[in-house]
Amino acid sequence: QQNVQQSPESLIVPEGARTSLNCTFSDSASQYFWWYRQHSGKAPKALMSIFSNGEKEEGRFTIHLNKASLHFSLHIRDSQPSDSALYLCAVRPNYNVLYFGSGTKLTVEP
Amino acid sequence: EAGVTQSPRYAVLQEGQAVSFWCDPISGHDTLYWYQQPRDQGPQLLVYFRDEAVIDNSQLPSDRFSAVRPKGTNSTLKIQSAKQGDTATYLCASSRDWGPRNTLYFGAGTRLSVL
Repeated sequence: QQNVQQSPESLIVPEGARTSLNCTFSDSASQYFWWYRQHSGKAPKALMSIFSNGEKEEGRFTIHLNKASLHFSLHIRDSQPSDSALYLCAVRPNYNVLYFGSGTKLTVEP
Repeated sequence: EAGVTQSPRYAVLQEGQAVSFWCDPISGHDTLYWYQQPRDQGPQLLVYFRDEAVIDNSQLPSDRFSAVRPKGTNSTLKIQSAKQGDTATYLCASSRDWGPRNTLYFGAGTRLSVL
């Protein structure tokens, strides 16, 4: 069973700040990694994915993956109030099971 | 493209009552998942299907929970004799094909409260 941990549990940042969210996983054989975002009362939606070590940038969002340290992160540049949500990291260690962390609740204050 | 549809959106029960949740996945998606999400926590896998076949139901909490997908399209998750500990949002997700890079698409869920 994959163990996926997120930190911090919650975070409050001012509008325009750079935000960093962290995720660690236990299975070194894991190959597929996602970040999902869930606004209150809504469906989780896939934000970004990464399948090899390194960085991947899409707009204001950047994922960084380091498999050797069992760690990946999400960075948000110029955070907006609309970014306020529960951020979920997810790891797929085998063919089809996606395991989620417990989430980081982000609040961006205007 | 229509998304994953779930009903009902909310359910409130007394302990001991039964409840069923219904899910209509995205058309053409052969893999369907049910997750349980306690309040302010991440989703936890309950069961998943490829077409009509159950691939893994080992995480269903007990024999009070059952799930079916008889024609490989819509699916129903049922809780017999609900308990207060079952209070959570039940999410359905689907993905295209049997591939590890495929993204899961979620419905908005059914929020269950057991009093």
